[in-house]
Amino acid sequence: AQTVTQSQPEMSVQEAETVTLSCTYDTSESDYYLFWYKQPPSRQMILVIRQEAYKQQNATENRFSVNFQKAAKSFSLKISDSQLGDAAMYFCAYRPKGAQKLVFGQGTRLTINP
Amino acid sequence: SAVISQKPSRDICQRGTSLTIQCQVDSQVTMMFWYRQQPGQSLTLIATANQGSEATYESGFVIDKFPISRPNLTFSTLTVSNMSPEDSSIYLCSVAFAFSYNEQFFGPGTRLTVL
Repeated sequence: AQTVTQSQPEMSVQEAETVTLSCTYDTSESDYYLFWYKQPPSRQMILVIRQEAYKQQNATENRFSVNFQKAAKSFSLKISDSQLGDAAMYFCAYRPKGAQKLVFGQGTRLTINP
Repeated sequence: SAVISQKPSRDICQRGTSLTIQCQVDSQVTMMFWYRQQPGQSLTLIATANQGSEATYESGFVIDKFPISRPNLTFSTLTVSNMSPEDSSIYLCSVAFAFSYNEQFFGPGTRLTVL
């Protein structure tokens, strides 16, 4: 069965600094999608960034970027120039191509210190 | 993207009763899903709501406990039946479009507390 592991239950960072959230996953599939979702206290799940496994280039969305290491089954999220609005729970998620089920990690609570 | 609303946003219910949660999307979507997020936990898929047919349930979830309807391409309901305190969770609806199957959009969730 596919599993997603986020080994950092909580992280904190000073405003304007950079933080990296870790995610590893286990799958026997070769083609799949990986996602980072943000869930602020309002509960609204927001897609932060998406990576397709067949693409070697790491995805980037403004201050958010990933380090995708397919062989190591690792998918970390880097947030640069952290802002107070980045404070939230961050979930890593996996979905095999051709299926719709998202498998989520346990989440990492990110705190931004002013 | 999609604008997704859920009703109610929160509720407090007595054990043994049932609650129906509604999910409304502002455009026609191919796929609709229901997730459960227990306190301090991650999201777990309950079922995929299929338009015009029975929902597809994940292991550990059954229709008698979580009946789901999807009468059209923009609306679905999830009922939590015969509730117990263990059903206290956030229930989230999500949707996916046929042209963008690699992304799911989530509703704001319904926070349910069972006393």
